[in-house]
Amino acid sequence: SQQGEEDPQALSIQEGENATMNCSYKTSINNLQWYRQNSGRGLVHLILIRSNEREKHSGRLRVTLDTSKKSSSLLITASRAADTASYFCATDAQGGSEKLVFGKGMKLTVNP
Amino acid sequence: EAEVAQSPRYKITEKSQAVAFWCDPISGHATLYWYRQILGQGPELLVQFQDESVVDDSQLPKDRFSAERLKGVDSTLKIQPAELGDSAMYLCASRGPADSYNEQFFGPGTRLTVL
Repeated sequence: SQQGEEDPQALSIQEGENATMNCSYKTSINNLQWYRQNSGRGLVHLILIRSNEREKHSGRLRVTLDTSKKSSSLLITASRAADTASYFCATDAQGGSEKLVFGKGMKLTVNP
Repeated sequence: EAEVAQSPRYKITEKSQAVAFWCDPISGHATLYWYRQILGQGPELLVQFQDESVVDDSQLPKDRFSAERLKGVDSTLKIQPAELGDSAMYLCASRGPADSYNEQFFGPGTRLTVL
């Protein structure tokens, strides 16, 4: 079963604009991660935020976590055509066997 | 840079046939995962290994799917017999003991088409 749910399911923007993706989840977590998947390829880890963190930055990525609302957002600033991909949030649930539960994903298209 | 290797990259088979996928994790990574990803969905865990032992196979359809990691290094996922609904991307991922926050490294996947 999938815990995370990304919103919107698809987003199309112009190069240079910012892209924001949201993720909601259901159970208490140890951490939340974001992954990127280019068409037909494997997933690439982008960033991880622990349950006791509220905001984290990595290059052009900014992720926030609100455990009271069970939600996270991923912001990509100054987007590039190469950012075109599907983005997934994944949660590592508390008390679990260290497995990740992925959302359905969000398709981002950055137009040059 | 170390990578997770998978083969084959693509597999086309007819229903009722047997198929097998292979994964070689990053050297030294004790934890290995097999995921199935249906088109338009996120990956779903099929089986998790810690060294050669199965930690979680609760979502593995055991009547037709089997997985092994005999020496705690590379792993094989088998489907016998394949069904039309098995068409999907099969992803392997690994995690080392140093990755205490469960960051996983994924291989390129095997795209299975069952005709």
